[in-house]
Amino acid sequence: NAGVTQTPKFRILKIGQSMTLQCTQDMNHNYMYWYRQDPGMGLKLIYYSVGAGITDKGEVPNGYNVSRSTTEDFPLRLELAAPSQTSVYFCASSTGQGYNEQFFGPGTRLTVL
Amino acid sequence: AQSVAQPEDQVNVAEGNPLTVKCTYSVSGNPYLFWYVQYPNRGLQFLLKYITGDNLVKGSYGFEAEFNKSQTSFHLKKPSALVSDSALYFCAVYYGQNFVFGPGTRLSVLP
Repeated sequence: NAGVTQTPKFRILKIGQSMTLQCTQDMNHNYMYWYRQDPGMGLKLIYYSVGAGITDKGEVPNGYNVSRSTTEDFPLRLELAAPSQTSVYFCASSTGQGYNEQFFGPGTRLTVL
Repeated sequence: AQSVAQPEDQVNVAEGNPLTVKCTYSVSGNPYLFWYVQYPNRGLQFLLKYITGDNLVKGSYGFEAEFNKSQTSFHLKKPSALVSDSALYFCAVYYGQNFVFGPGTRLSVLP
């Protein structure tokens, strides 16, 4: 049982490039989340999904897109990378409503130059 | 809008002494409250949560937290700190289909 896995671990992008951050969970969780973590700022919710085919915006969705075609996968897409998107990105999953604990992946450290 | 404050960026405590990491929240109604811990280069790990019931919640690794509705606080405590408790601690609130995390408190336990 691998839990929540994220790839890549590190990535450097040039301004204007695109990339997809991958997230997979093997716990059959319906709820999945994408957060970004900036120093001293805690975590900010980018997008979340309550099940396959259903996604919704979080607090900071601008510049990102998501899809959820399967229960297991929840990729995050950056279309036109900007320096403001330099951050550590965490994917998480949970069994159901928000009062359930979330399980986090190890994170992707992204730098945009 | 709901918010979470962790008034201390850093908490230093000697090994064996009790520790407290503070958290206050601003939410109308009844929130769900959480504590998570983050070790270097790792994702967050769940420690404990308050949903309803007893105001004193016990969690993983000997940690506990006390919910105080009148003071809108949810402080994390441990009777005897270990060096291995050194990490970044986040308080979070879930309310109205939205998760809000505090900025984090770095705990250093000195041998």
